[in-house]
Amino acid sequence: LAKTTQPISMDSYEGQEVNITCSHNNIATNDYITWYQQFPSQGPRFIIQGYKTKVTNEVASLFIPADRKSSTLSLPRVSLSDTAVYYCLVGATGGGNKLTFGTGTQLKVEL
Amino acid sequence: GAVVSQHPSWVICKSGTSVKIECRSLDFQATTMFWYRQFPKQSLMLMATSNEGSKATYEQGVEKDKFLINHASLTLSTLTVTSAHPEDSSFYICSATGLAGGPDSYEQYFGPGTRLTVT
Repeated sequence: LAKTTQPISMDSYEGQEVNITCSHNNIATNDYITWYQQFPSQGPRFIIQGYKTKVTNEVASLFIPADRKSSTLSLPRVSLSDTAVYYCLVGATGGGNKLTFGTGTQLKVEL
Repeated sequence: GAVVSQHPSWVICKSGTSVKIECRSLDFQATTMFWYRQFPKQSLMLMATSNEGSKATYEQGVEKDKFLINHASLTLSTLTVTSAHPEDSSFYICSATGLAGGPDSYEQYFGPGTRLTVT
């Protein structure tokens, strides 16, 4: 399973765009990149998943360069409620494939 | 999206007793369920992978005789912590994936977690 590296923590203010970058130098050809959000004492929540280029949904965008050795989660106009830990994971898709969680990034949003 | 529930949400038990945690997929059939453990301020650590109708696969360092996992149906997996000790106190989280090839097969859906405190 590819190892991921993320910043331990980030600080931001309400209304700003936040970009969290994840490095995954050993990503395999059939690996997808998935980001999860976790609030204290809750299970992780799926945010977004992608394979290459750019993916956008109602809550975030995911940018993946051509070499796929990194990815950037972009959260537009964060609010206090976006304060959470964000995990970047890489792995093959398909039912039954286990995920390995790295350290995650603690995002703190202030007024 | 798909919903996974856990019961109980928190439990306190005495040292030496056993406690069972249930994980249910409420609106989809989960061929595979995963059990994680998370200590305070730490990341999730995968404990085992559970496939319906077969024995669970445990990660290295996880005692299979202590953490009994049963996945008897496509919607229910249970984790039993046997002879619990204070060091087993943790946040236990399950996740589930749908049938391979289905629209949900590429995503793991996580339960809300169960807080276990062993006194």
